[in-house]
Amino acid sequence: QSALTQPASVSGSPGQSITISCTGTNTDVGNYNLVSWYQQHPGKAPKLMIYEVTKGPSGVSNRFSGSKSGNTASLTISGLQAEDEADYYCCSYAGGDSWLFGGGTKLTVL
Amino acid sequence: QVQVVQSGPEVKKPGASVKVSCQTSGYTFSDYHIHWVRQAPGQGLEWMGIFQTHGDRRTTYAQKFKGRLTLTQDTSTRTVYMDLGSLTYDDTALYFCARDGHGGSPFSFDSWGQGTLVTVSS
Repeated sequence: QSALTQPASVSGSPGQSITISCTGTNTDVGNYNLVSWYQQHPGKAPKLMIYEVTKGPSGVSNRFSGSKSGNTASLTISGLQAEDEADYYCCSYAGGDSWLFGGGTKLTVL
Repeated sequence: QVQVVQSGPEVKKPGASVKVSCQTSGYTFSDYHIHWVRQAPGQGLEWMGIFQTHGDRRTTYAQKFKGRLTLTQDTSTRTVYMDLGSLTYDDTALYFCARDGHGGSPFSFDSWGQGTLVTVSS
């Protein structure tokens, strides 16, 4: 299985909104509503931001939202803040007790 | 609160094996499975496998690791172990264990260890 496809980088100014895409296939992203998103700051462990495509864990800002259409999932961050600058990874359940990550997207806050 | 603590850094020679531990606390151990994820220097996250801590304690490994990855547990110490054999230079990476979200955030990874750096060097 190949990794899910994410853009290598995105950028935005404080206060703006950005969207990161995550494209898979009809055997992973398109077949299950089980996409999650993770934020990783340099030298830190990843942090869960979104699960089951659209749900936010307790304690995560509601500026983070998720969606999915067909084989592509998306993470949107609204009201961009300096602390949002990080790497973001999507992950999808791929059946047979297996999971698949995206290649990661570096978010730069200008 | 939930805590996931991993063992310290390792340096291994090519062809050797490495065993990394992942000790948990703050929740009912058998209620949540444990995943292993690795990250090569400057690279993205890669899912390696899952150890199901209850039921038939089934393990599932990503295809590329089958045959050289073994996940085990010690319920008395609430610890899951990752044993990776036949190491090559490409196995140099930061290895994370992560708790499966189960009922709260199913099919996701809701608590992560701090990571264990494994360096393969001659």
